[in-house]
Amino acid sequence: AQSVSQHNHHVILSEAASLELGCNYSYGGTVNLFWYVQYPGQHLQLLLKYFSGDPLVKGIKGFEAEFIKSKFSFNLRKPSVQWSDTAEYFCAVTPRSNDYKLSFGAGTTVTVRA
Amino acid sequence: DTAVSQTPKYLVTQMGNDKSIKCEQNLGHDTMYWYKQDSKKFLKIMFSYNNKELIINETVPNRFSPKSPDKAHLNLHINSLELGDSAVYFCASSPLAGATYEQYFGPGTRLTVT
Repeated sequence: AQSVSQHNHHVILSEAASLELGCNYSYGGTVNLFWYVQYPGQHLQLLLKYFSGDPLVKGIKGFEAEFIKSKFSFNLRKPSVQWSDTAEYFCAVTPRSNDYKLSFGAGTTVTVRA
Repeated sequence: DTAVSQTPKYLVTQMGNDKSIKCEQNLGHDTMYWYKQDSKKFLKIMFSYNNKELIINETVPNRFSPKSPDKAHLNLHINSLELGDSAVYFCASSPLAGATYEQYFGPGTRLTVT
């Protein structure tokens, strides 16, 4: 079974700082990759996804993620965060061979201080 | 308009009781899911239905029984509640089965078993 690791449990940074959240997965085959975000009091929503093609994918709200196959990683980045980026961020993976099952990481809490 | 709604939002009950959580989506999607998020924020899939048919049934105690009266609804019934059932339960839907399709999440139901 695949698993997903998010290295940072809680990240605290100031506005305008750059953000990078790590995500590694363990699965030998081809995968689909996702980042979801949960703003305080709101439901989970998709930030971006990668299926194939350019390994650098751009999502909503200025986020991007890079798929590095050799490292089994899909790190999320934002060059300059805003206070409104305070949220819980979840990496998720599904194997192409059975893409019904989305496996989530434990999440990273991001707190942006004004 | 709420795309995926869940009721109730909060549920506090005693051990041994039977309770249900309801989920409805007005997106016209064929596939619906139930996820459990534990106290460590791990999100794990429990069930998935595609057009009222069960397609994912993870290792979940048989005290948990999903019911899909139509493709817009997926309810979760829990018998003989235990302390360990305390969690946030998320419903989600996607246009079709498979992670190629974005999943839309509901706001969650926080279940507390005392």
